[in-house]
Amino acid sequence: KAGVTQTPRYLIKTRGQQVTLSCSPISGHRSVSWYQQTPGQGLQFLFEYFSETQRNKGNFPGRFSGRQFSNSRSEMNVSTLELGDSALYLCASSSINTGGNTIYFGEGSWLTVV
Amino acid sequence: AQTVTQSQPEMSVQEAETVTLSCTYDTSESDYYLFWYKQPPSRQMILVIRQEAYKQQNATENRFSVNFQKAAKSFSLKISDSQLGDAAMYFCAYRSANAGNMLTFGGGTRLMVKP
Repeated sequence: KAGVTQTPRYLIKTRGQQVTLSCSPISGHRSVSWYQQTPGQGLQFLFEYFSETQRNKGNFPGRFSGRQFSNSRSEMNVSTLELGDSALYLCASSSINTGGNTIYFGEGSWLTVV
Repeated sequence: AQTVTQSQPEMSVQEAETVTLSCTYDTSESDYYLFWYKQPPSRQMILVIRQEAYKQQNATENRFSVNFQKAAKSFSLKISDSQLGDAAMYFCAYRSANAGNMLTFGGGTRLMVKP
């Protein structure tokens, strides 16, 4: 069974540009969450989608947005990139929407903003 | 809002010995889940162990066990017979039982294992 797949793994963008990251959850998983990891702020929750609906949202500016498709694949978009957006973006998937079910993580997408 | 605190930025242990990583959390909820995740250099988060708040019995997974003190809001991880492959960042995480799959993470503890 394939794990959580994130693409691209590495990318470099220029300030002011926008970026789209993709996440394919484990087959059958309907919940997808996104996290930002930086040395200064640690791991921070961005948002969660379940069955194409945003269930939770972290404390990030509106430049950060996401969506989920009917096949559960998810994308996150960051517009007007800033240097501080340089981070590892982790995607996680889970089989149900709550409870003690296991959350599985992908290997992340490394974004560098120059 | 819930907060998770890991007071040990770095820990070191001799191979084959035991080490305990500390974690405290703050919440007003009674129903929640706690997790320890391991992040090796590959950066993929791997679940080590989890604890349901309603269970009094401490969770155990092979060499990994927790000491869950609900009243003290403490959730420490004990690694027995430490191996070189245990070297990684360890994150404590909290999840409410009523807030989907949103995890709140601590700042992490870097564990070094000396041969």
